[in-house]
Amino acid sequence: AQSVTQLDSQVPVFEEAPVELRCNYSSSVSVYLFWYVQYPNQGLQLLLKYLSGSTLVKGINGFEAEFNKSQTSFHLRKPSVHISDTAEYFCAVRPSSNTGKLIFGQGTTLQVKP
Amino acid sequence: NAGVTQTPKFRVLKTGQSMTLLCAQDMNHEYMYWYRQDPGMGLRLIHYSVGEGTTAKGEVPDGYNVSRLKKQNFLLGLESAAPSQTSVYFCASTQGRSYNSPLHFGNGTRLTVT
Repeated sequence: AQSVTQLDSQVPVFEEAPVELRCNYSSSVSVYLFWYVQYPNQGLQLLLKYLSGSTLVKGINGFEAEFNKSQTSFHLRKPSVHISDTAEYFCAVRPSSNTGKLIFGQGTTLQVKP
Repeated sequence: NAGVTQTPKFRVLKTGQSMTLLCAQDMNHEYMYWYRQDPGMGLRLIHYSVGEGTTAKGEVPDGYNVSRLKKQNFLLGLESAAPSQTSVYFCASTQGRSYNSPLHFGNGTRLTVT
């Protein structure tokens, strides 16, 4: 069975500082990896995805993530955060099946302070 | 373009009451999903559908039923609500089995069961 672990429930950071949100997954089959962002009182929006190819994936709003197969990780990074990045971030895996369903991690709340 | 629309946005139920949550998408997507979001637990899959007239159980299906009579609609029913079903419910849809097609989420339904 597949699972996703987000290692930090909350990450406080000052504006313009770099940030890394950690995500580890477990799977015995090939997976596809995603990061979603949820702003207050909204649904989830796709930030970026890893399907294949280059292990460094760039997404919207200046975020990027690196797929590390040996460490089964898919950490999300941004070199300089803004107040508007305050949100909850979810890592998810999509097993290589034909159901399309996603398995989500517990979420990490990013709190950007001025 | 409305995307994924969930009705209602908020609801308060008493234990034992029933209700139906409606999800409608206008993107002609084949696959649809119902998730629940609880603090510290991320999103957990309740039921899903890979096409009109088909449904399947997800990770936490007990206490819920679903129907997909029309391609654009996916209904989630609670026959006898319990306080443990207090949660935020999200509907999502995707084009199909292509891993390049992301999930599109609605803005959620906040349900409180007293």
